[in-house]
Amino acid sequence: ETGVTQSPTHLIKTRGQQVTLRCSSQSGHNTVSWYQQALGQGPQFIFQYYREEENGRGNFPPRFSGLQFPNYSSELNVNALELDDSALYLCASSLGPTSNYGYTFGSGTRLTVV
Amino acid sequence: DQQVKQNSPSLSVQEGRISILNCDYTNSMFDYFLWYKKYPAEGPTFLISISSIKDKNEDGRFTVFLNKSAKHLSLHIVPSQPGDSAVYFCAASGKAGGFKTIFGAGTRLFVKA
Repeated sequence: ETGVTQSPTHLIKTRGQQVTLRCSSQSGHNTVSWYQQALGQGPQFIFQYYREEENGRGNFPPRFSGLQFPNYSSELNVNALELDDSALYLCASSLGPTSNYGYTFGSGTRLTVV
Repeated sequence: DQQVKQNSPSLSVQEGRISILNCDYTNSMFDYFLWYKKYPAEGPTFLISISSIKDKNEDGRFTVFLNKSAKHLSLHIVPSQPGDSAVYFCAASGKAGGFKTIFGAGTRLFVKA
């Protein structure tokens, strides 16, 4: 059973640029949630995808968008990058939208915006 | 608004003793409460959960206690081991959060040998 893999692991972008982060969910999981973790804080919910549809969104602007593919892998896209977007971006997969069984997280993508 | 709060940024415990990590929440509509452990350069790992209809759940050295009237939960680790040194996140899910999981800010546990 493979876990959740995220790519790239590290990324440096310039303010105003666009970025795409990728996530492969754990085998058998149909739900992917994306979180942003700033330094010293807990993960903040960005959005969730369930069976290729957005299934909830946190308090993030529209320039944060996503996709889920038929194989349940997912992408997070961020347009018009700002300095405050610098953070660890975590992808988590689960058996379904509710997380009573817990999420399986990837190791994250560290994004630095300069 | 912080619906899940971990007020202690760090905790230091001697090996073999009990570690108690605390968490408070504000919304009584959460259905499940979860604890995750995070090592540096890794994603959080699910540790243990408890349903809102229970007051205790035990898994080996880890026990989670839920006090619904106080909107408080705690994670007990007995006995603590140096390998338990990590950041522990309290999380909650259910209708209150729109079925997404909401995380606290984390508590860094140091277990001294």
